[in-house]
Amino acid sequence: QSVLTQPPAVSGAPGQRVTISCAGNISNIGAGYDVHWYKQLPPTAPQIFIYVNNHRPSGVPDRVSASKSGTSASLAISGLQVEDEGDYYCQSYDSLSGYVFGTGTTVTV
Amino acid sequence: QVHLQESGPGLVKPSETLSLTCHVSGVSITSHYWTWIRQTPGKGLEWIGYIYYSGTSKYNPSVRGRVTLSVDTSKSEVSLKLNSVTTADTAVYYCARETSAITGSMVYFEPWGPGILVTVSS
Repeated sequence: QSVLTQPPAVSGAPGQRVTISCAGNISNIGAGYDVHWYKQLPPTAPQIFIYVNNHRPSGVPDRVSASKSGTSASLAISGLQVEDEGDYYCQSYDSLSGYVFGTGTTVTV
Repeated sequence: QVHLQESGPGLVKPSETLSLTCHVSGVSITSHYWTWIRQTPGKGLEWIGYIYYSGTSKYNPSVRGRVTLSVDTSKSEVSLKLNSVTTADTAVYYCARETSAITGSMVYFEPWGPGILVTVSS
């Protein structure tokens, strides 16, 4: 089972801003472990979207930002575009179970 | 460019052993840790475990005792064996490379193979 909780879906009109939360606890995000974010366009495999809390790989636009605080993290996409549609997953490490993923969030524009 | 490709049977009978292989190209298999992840509609993404060519490994407690990962350096392949499977093991299985862009930071998974659907059914 996923240890990190995300909203199942978020949506917005083109140009708007959406945020995706990733709620953990003291054995994962709250313990200081980094958070990464992946984007998936089913049926293809997930791809890294944000690494180490707030770093964008090349190709990810600067209207994407992310942060981590306490036992949670969040991903924000501003200036929403159709190309932002997809499934987004957070990922961290849990001292009890190893690497863990979020429940996933579907973004609809 | 690093490329991963999973292969194996797409159908496994309950109680039998699921065996998959991940072929690695574009990089030395001895240079990285390799991980297996599965995805189901009900449970989402689930990390299964990681392996280094030396044999160092770690498994998710949810499958520990049923899973074995191994590396064949001569074939540049990473293997997954999951025994005593049930319908709950039906999933798309991915192999991925662990990588770290910042010294001291937690590794992330990149790239991933395209994945292979394994159905457990009689």
